[in-house]
Amino acid sequence: KAGVTQTPRYLIKTRGQQVTLSCSPISGHRSVSWYQQTPGQGLQFLFEYFSETQRNKGNFPGRFSGRQFSNSRSEMNVSTLELGDSALYLCASSLDGLAYEQYFGPGTRLTVT
Amino acid sequence: AQTVTQSQPEMSVQEAETVTLSCTYDTSESDYYLFWYKQPPSRQMILVIRQEAYKQQNATENRFSVNFQKAAKSFSLKISDSQLGDAAMYFCAYRSASGTYKYIFGTGTRLKVLA
Repeated sequence: KAGVTQTPRYLIKTRGQQVTLSCSPISGHRSVSWYQQTPGQGLQFLFEYFSETQRNKGNFPGRFSGRQFSNSRSEMNVSTLELGDSALYLCASSLDGLAYEQYFGPGTRLTVT
Repeated sequence: AQTVTQSQPEMSVQEAETVTLSCTYDTSESDYYLFWYKQPPSRQMILVIRQEAYKQQNATENRFSVNFQKAAKSFSLKISDSQLGDAAMYFCAYRSASGTYKYIFGTGTRLKVLA
């Protein structure tokens, strides 16, 4: 079974631009979560989607948004990029149910210049 | 709000020795799940071990075991017979079993394994 895939793997953008990141979960997984990972802050939860609905949201500004499609693929969008948005963005999928582990993708390394 | 604290930014262990990584958490909930995840350098994060809060028995997975102290809100990871491949960032994570169901991660502990 294929793992979680994220595209693109690396991205360089300039301040003020917007970016869209994509995540394809493991087949059959209905939950997709997004995290921002930085050396200073660790893993910060962005949001979780389940069956096309945002089930959970972290404490990030409205510039960060996401959506999930009927095939469970998810996209994350960041508008009006700031230097501080430079980070590794991780996507994780899991089966229905709270006890299930999350399977992480390789991440998208976003650099904002 | 729930918090997860990993007070050891970095740990070192000799190959074949045992090491314990600490994790404490704060919650007012009675039902939740705890996890340890491993992130090797430039590789994907993977689950090491999982503990359900309602289970008193400590979880074990081969060389990895936890010491779950619910009253003390402590969830430490013990790695026995450490191997070079154990070198990684280790993250402790909490997931609520109700309400927001959010995952909350600690800041991580970097484990170095010395040959």
